[in-house]
Amino acid sequence: DAGVIQSPRHEVTEMGQEVTLRCKPISGHNSLFWYRQTMMRGLELLIYFNNNVPIDDSGMPEDRFSAKMPNASFSTLKIQPSEPRDSAVYFCASSLEQGSADTQYFGPGTRLTVL
Amino acid sequence: AQKITQTQPGMFVQEKEAVTLDCTYDTSDPSYGLFWYKQPSSGEMIFLIYQGSYDQQNATEGRYSLNFQKARKSANLVISASQLGDSAMYFCAMGRNQGGKLIFGQGTELSVKP
Repeated sequence: DAGVIQSPRHEVTEMGQEVTLRCKPISGHNSLFWYRQTMMRGLELLIYFNNNVPIDDSGMPEDRFSAKMPNASFSTLKIQPSEPRDSAVYFCASSLEQGSADTQYFGPGTRLTVL
Repeated sequence: AQKITQTQPGMFVQEKEAVTLDCTYDTSDPSYGLFWYKQPSSGEMIFLIYQGSYDQQNATEGRYSLNFQKARKSANLVISASQLGDSAMYFCAMGRNQGGKLIFGQGTELSVKP
């Protein structure tokens, strides 16, 4: 079975450029999460969708970040304009939410470097 | 607010021995779930084991077991018969039973010595 798929795996860009990260959740899962991992802050949630609807975006740093989930099998995280402090590993995770603390399965991550 | 604490930044264990990675948590929620994930040097996050707050028995998955002590608010991971491939970062996490985000600890880096 295919797990969570993320692309690209690595992205190097220059400050000010637009960056788009993509995620395909596990088929049948109804919740999707975007996390960011840095040495300083560890793993933190950016945004969480349930049934394609954003439920919690309190972790989105600022207006430069936006996320969409146009359908159950695709989500994007966009950073515009990017800044060096956005350099991190961005994980997408999905789960089948059934009213309990459901296991989240992570994608391989996108390592973003902003120069 | 929920909080996860992993007090061991790094641990060493001899191959074939057992090791315990500590995790304590704080929450006011009556029901929640506790998770452990493994992150090898390749970077992916691998789910290992889950414990529900109402589960009477400690969770086990192969060589992994979770020593759940609810009164102490601890959820330690025990790895038996350590293997070289167990060398990785290990993260403890907590989620609410209403779903939503996981709160992660800072991680413990485990090194298995041959």
